[in-house]
Amino acid sequence: DAGVIQSPRHEVTEMGQEVTLRCKPISGHNSLFWYRQTMMRGLELLIYFNNNVPIDDSGMPEDRFSAKMPNASFSTLKIQPSEPRDSAVYFCASSTELINFQGYTFGSGTRLTVV
Amino acid sequence: AQSVTQLGSHVSVSEGALVLLRCNYSSSVPPYLFWYVQYPNQGLQLLLKYTSAATLVKGINGFEAEFKKSETSFHLTKPSAHMSDAAEYFCAVSDSSFQKLVFGTGTRLLVSP
Repeated sequence: DAGVIQSPRHEVTEMGQEVTLRCKPISGHNSLFWYRQTMMRGLELLIYFNNNVPIDDSGMPEDRFSAKMPNASFSTLKIQPSEPRDSAVYFCASSTELINFQGYTFGSGTRLTVV
Repeated sequence: AQSVTQLGSHVSVSEGALVLLRCNYSSSVPPYLFWYVQYPNQGLQLLLKYTSAATLVKGINGFEAEFKKSETSFHLTKPSAHMSDAAEYFCAVSDSSFQKLVFGTGTRLLVSP
């Protein structure tokens, strides 16, 4: 199993530009989570999906952030327009509770720098 | 609602010394509990988990944790620290739906020679 795959690993963009982060969960996992990690705020849950449906997006900071999961094997997190305060590491994680919840598997993250 | 408290944002030990990272939880249902480790510039990696089987759980790299219901604790220990253990450690508890984890704020372990 290749694990949770995130792309790109690093992204540097100018303020005001659109940024799209991508995630491929583990095959067979039916829940997907997007987290943001910064030194100041630590690990924050942005949104999570269950069976491709957004269940809780209360952590999405503002309307500039949006997330989609068009199918069970792909999700995107989009920031438009980006701002310097969005600079962080963004993690995707997946899990399944269908065979006894075993916790999450995290991707390696995308380090976003907005200049 | 479920919650996790990790005591100490930083813990420093000498190489070869005992490692003890503290985690206390609050849960309205019998919890599932997890420890994750994050090495620099990497994602979080599952270290060990308690899912209502044996109360003493062994994980990777010589770590173990004991579930103590009476103390609502799930402390992480390792008898002898190694330099490679330097990382950030997160404790987490499942929510009541067993679909989502609630993470603690993390403890950074520093290991000195």
